[in-house]
Amino acid sequence: NAGVMQNPRHLVRRRGQEARLRCSPMKGHSHVYWYRQLPEEGLKFMVYLQKENIIDESGMPKERFSAEFPKEGPSILRIQQVVRGDSAAYFCASSPVFEAGANVLTFGAGSRLTVL
Amino acid sequence: KQEVTQIPAALSVPEGENLVLNCSFTDSAIYNLQWFRQDPGKGLTSLLLIQSSQREQTSGRLNASLDKSSGRSTLYIAASQPGDSATYLCAVNPHTGGFKTIFGAGTRLFVKA
Repeated sequence: NAGVMQNPRHLVRRRGQEARLRCSPMKGHSHVYWYRQLPEEGLKFMVYLQKENIIDESGMPKERFSAEFPKEGPSILRIQQVVRGDSAAYFCASSPVFEAGANVLTFGAGSRLTVL
Repeated sequence: KQEVTQIPAALSVPEGENLVLNCSFTDSAIYNLQWFRQDPGKGLTSLLLIQSSQREQTSGRLNASLDKSSGRSTLYIAASQPGDSATYLCAVNPHTGGFKTIFGAGTRLFVKA
């Protein structure tokens, strides 16, 4: 079991470019969560997805950010026209089934975005 | 709105000391509380999960307690080692607010050899 796989691990972009971060959940997990960690801060929830559905995107900025989890392939977090403030570590987590009392997240190693 | 606070923000101790990390949360309506470890530049490793009906969980030299009514949890590390140096994050899974696990900002621990 390879765990939650994120790539790229490090990504450098210039202002105005697009960043695409990918996340493959653990085998058997159908729920994916994206979190952002700004320097010296805790993790902030961005979006929760199931296959082909966005369940909760209340933590995601309304502009420039989008997420998807297609029927086939990894979940993708897309940031358009990046700005320096987007520089952060983006973590993906997965869980097997959402039962509120048993919602235990397994995290990937993160993708660190640097915007020049 | 659920908020999670961790104290202290940073801690430096000599090897061998027992230590306590504190976590407080503002809304006691939670399903569970989880402690994670994060090494620099790395992802999160789950250490202990305490369900709301439980008072504590133990794993090796780690013991986590939960007092839901007062909104507090502690992580106790016995006989600390340099390898314990990391950031420790506390997170709660609240009843309200959807499916968001809420994290504290973490306690950065440095154990000196």
